Amino acid sequence: GENVEQHPSTLSVQEGDSAVIKCTYSDSASNYFPWYKQELGKRPQLIIDIRSNVGEKKDQRIAVTLNKTAKHFSLHITETQPEDSAVYFCAASRVDSSYKLIFGSGTRLLVRP
Amino acid sequence: NAGVTQTPKFRILKIGQSMTLQCAQDMNHNYMYWYRQDPGMGLKLIYYSVGAGITDKGEVPNGYNVSRSTTEDFPLRLELAAPSQTSVYFCASSSGTGRKRDEQFFGPGTRLTVL
Repeated sequence: GENVEQHPSTLSVQEGDSAVIKCTYSDSASNYFPWYKQELGKRPQLIIDIRSNVGEKKDQRIAVTLNKTAKHFSLHITETQPEDSAVYFCAASRVDSSYKLIFGSGTRLLVRP
Repeated sequence: NAGVTQTPKFRILKIGQSMTLQCAQDMNHNYMYWYRQDPGMGLKLIYYSVGAGITDKGEVPNGYNVSRSTTEDFPLRLELAAPSQTSVYFCASSSGTGRKRDEQFFGPGTRLTVL
């Protein structure tokens, strides 16, 4: 079945620096790749997603890139702020009728003021 | 719209007890999902449903059962609680149609402890 690996498990950056989180997936039929942000004790919230027919997508300070050949995708956060501190999860979903997601293990991002 | 709602927020069970975690959505979504999140870990899919009357197993279905008698509700049943089922349980839904068909919306979660 599908497997999604996420790195690093923890990331500490200075406020204003950039942060990059990387994920690899195993199922070449995967075609939808969302990123979720989860604050402590809260539900996961979708922050950005990308589909396999697109190589890059940007939304203000957040961008996601996808390399289908290498089967990896990355989250880029620029000009980090303390409120970006949270756990970030990547996920992948294959082309079928269920849209079920397989999640990575998460990255704890700490933005130091 | 309330979105996806879950009850209860917290629950402590004794080993061997049973309970039902409730999940409801008011977005008329066809697809619903149950995940569990162990401390410091990612989310694992337990069961999912693509419509009323249709359910299927996810990655970690053992020890759980589900039903989907209506579009709105998707309860998760634990029959014989075990300490390994201590976790936070999230319900989610997606429309299954249109441009954002696979975008999943999560409920607030149920924190379950089995002692």
